[in-house]
Amino acid sequence: EIVMTQSPATLSVSPGERATLSCRASQSVSSNLAWYQQKPGQAPRLLIFGASTRATDIPARFSGSGSGTEFTLTISSLQSEDFAVYYCQQYNNWPPKTFGQGTKVEIK
Amino acid sequence: EVQLVESGGGLVQPGGSLRLSCAASGFTFSSYSMNWVRQAPGKGLEWVSYISTSSSTIYYADSVKGRFTISRDNAKNSLHLQMNSLRDEDTAVYFCARDGGSFAYWGQGTLVTVSS
Repeated sequence: EIVMTQSPATLSVSPGERATLSCRASQSVSSNLAWYQQKPGQAPRLLIFGASTRATDIPARFSGSGSGTEFTLTISSLQSEDFAVYYCQQYNNWPPKTFGQGTKVEIK
Repeated sequence: EVQLVESGGGLVQPGGSLRLSCAASGFTFSSYSMNWVRQAPGKGLEWVSYISTSSSTIYYADSVKGRFTISRDNAKNSLHLQMNSLRDEDTAVYFCARDGGSFAYWGQGTLVTVSS
């Protein structure tokens, strides 16, 4: 089973600042990596698939990069609605399609 | 518009059973594989089970293997999860999610609480 490790666990950022979230896979997942955003009481929302392709209706301030074992989600200028928990997920070697433990982006 | 609506959650005693359903609309259900994903209170996301379009391929997480059964009815656009021998650690919100490699569409979830 591929283990996904996200860092940091919590990221404190001021509105308008840039946020950089990391995700590491225990072995290569090629570019088969997705990022999700989840707000309290809501289902996860797909942000990025294929490591760098934005999903439908996702703002351009969200960008993904990386391949193999190291991945990054960048939010270029945080808006109030971006404070949430973010998960990465690999879908290269499955089952299972494993998720990271999440990074909480909170207001500084 | 793609919609996935879960139902069937509730309070059940340890060792009991529950059957979850997911009603799909807004897309050709029979053309997509489906998944169940769960989230324990205050915890992260855990993939639970996968079923292919024709039900010919099914996978389970080790944590539920032998206790949970996934199924689908393409004629009724519905996905199911039969959960037996429930344990305290199965307490979670259960989401159904449409497969496409990643999971672009999710239901709102249904809460399962296992407690005596």
